[in-house]
Amino acid sequence: GESVGLHLPTLSVQEGDNSIINCAYSNSASDYFIWYKQESGKGPQFIIDIRSNMDKRQGQRVTVLLNKTVKHLSLQIAATQPGDSAVYFCAAPPGNKLTFGGGTRVLVKP
Amino acid sequence: GAVVSQHPSRVICKSGTSVKIECRSLDFQATTMFWYRQFPKQSLMLMATSNEGSKATYEQGVEKDKFLINHASLTLSTLTVTSAHPEDSSFYICSARLTEGLAGGPYEQYFGPGTRLTVT
Repeated sequence: GESVGLHLPTLSVQEGDNSIINCAYSNSASDYFIWYKQESGKGPQFIIDIRSNMDKRQGQRVTVLLNKTVKHLSLQIAATQPGDSAVYFCAAPPGNKLTFGGGTRVLVKP
Repeated sequence: GAVVSQHPSRVICKSGTSVKIECRSLDFQATTMFWYRQFPKQSLMLMATSNEGSKATYEQGVEKDKFLINHASLTLSTLTVTSAHPEDSSFYICSARLTEGLAGGPYEQYFGPGTRLTVT
């Protein structure tokens, strides 16, 4: 069946270091991927998206990489800050809906 | 732009009662809204897709008679949990879809802040 999943459930990172969060997907027909950030007790917040005709997209301190060959995408956060502590989800829309991965918790150590 | 609100943010109700949760798009019109449920330390699970002016489409395993969805206007969708039981206690999150994403993507879903439901 269709699934979007993550490799690591928890990532501890030193403040100032870079973070890399990974995600695998199973549906090779997926043509659009999104990363969301969810802080405790809040709804998900859009971070960045990427279309399948791209392999890299950069935002402010974030970069998403897409490897369609191995059906893998990653989110890189540069110079991780305490405010980056949250759960990060990748998501892919099968048509009109979103399928979410299991989530990775990022803990930023001071 | 693209702000979605939910009301209430937190509700406690007794077993057997019904609870209504509102989802509003504040600065845009949303023909499609989505309702998700999230249990602690788990991912979001889509419950149903709410289309303005038509019946909601429910995901497999979600009881449509228990989770009543109404999308009467382009800015408001409601989820009513009927005859709530303790196992319905969860974090309910709605989202609204933009036809063309603000960041240039084909579309984006903007999420509300969630409603914490506790059934005692």
